[in-house]
Amino acid sequence: KAGVTQTPRYLIKTRGQQVTLSCSPISGHRSVSWYQQTPGQGLQFLFEYFSETQRNKGNFPGRFSGRQFSNSRSEMNVSTLELGDSALYLCASSLDSPSNYGYTFGSGTRLTVV
Amino acid sequence: SQQGEEDPQALSIQEGENATMNCSYKTSINNLQWYRQNSGRGLVHLILIRSNEREKHSGRLRVTLDTSKKSSSLLITASRAADTASYFCATASNDYKLSFGAGTTVTVRA
Repeated sequence: KAGVTQTPRYLIKTRGQQVTLSCSPISGHRSVSWYQQTPGQGLQFLFEYFSETQRNKGNFPGRFSGRQFSNSRSEMNVSTLELGDSALYLCASSLDSPSNYGYTFGSGTRLTVV
Repeated sequence: SQQGEEDPQALSIQEGENATMNCSYKTSINNLQWYRQNSGRGLVHLILIRSNEREKHSGRLRVTLDTSKKSSSLLITASRAADTASYFCATASNDYKLSFGAGTTVTVRA
């Protein structure tokens, strides 16, 4: 079966712009989570969605937002980009709760802000 | 903030040797999971050990969990070049997320 698909794979944006990243989970997985990975901070939790409801949110500014659609696909949006937003953004899906079943990760979107 | 902390940060071993890395965490957990990441790609789930389990095996992987010491270890036996990667422990509680450590970078030399 298809894995977790993230698009685009690479993205270069200018400071002040906004960006939308997309994630399609494994078929049947209803939980989708997003993480930011940087060399300095490691893997930082952004948010988790289940059946279109956000169940948890990490400590990121309001510029970071997300949503989940009825088909479990998810998007995250970052507005007013800053240089420090340059990172690998990882989407992960789980059957129900990642606490119970663990994650299947996508390959990530590499965002560079210039 | 990161819940788990791996030790060592980096490890270099010869092919065929065993690799051991440790993870310590701070709060009570439901389970602890180990993941592998190759060269900045997505993480791959390796093994999950529940808080009432002490040891678990999967192929060449052996994981132990000591909840009294809040620590876990991952042993990779008979390492191969393909095991070169970063390894992360992640703790799970009742909050719909995993908290990852900083990772151990393992290099297997031919």
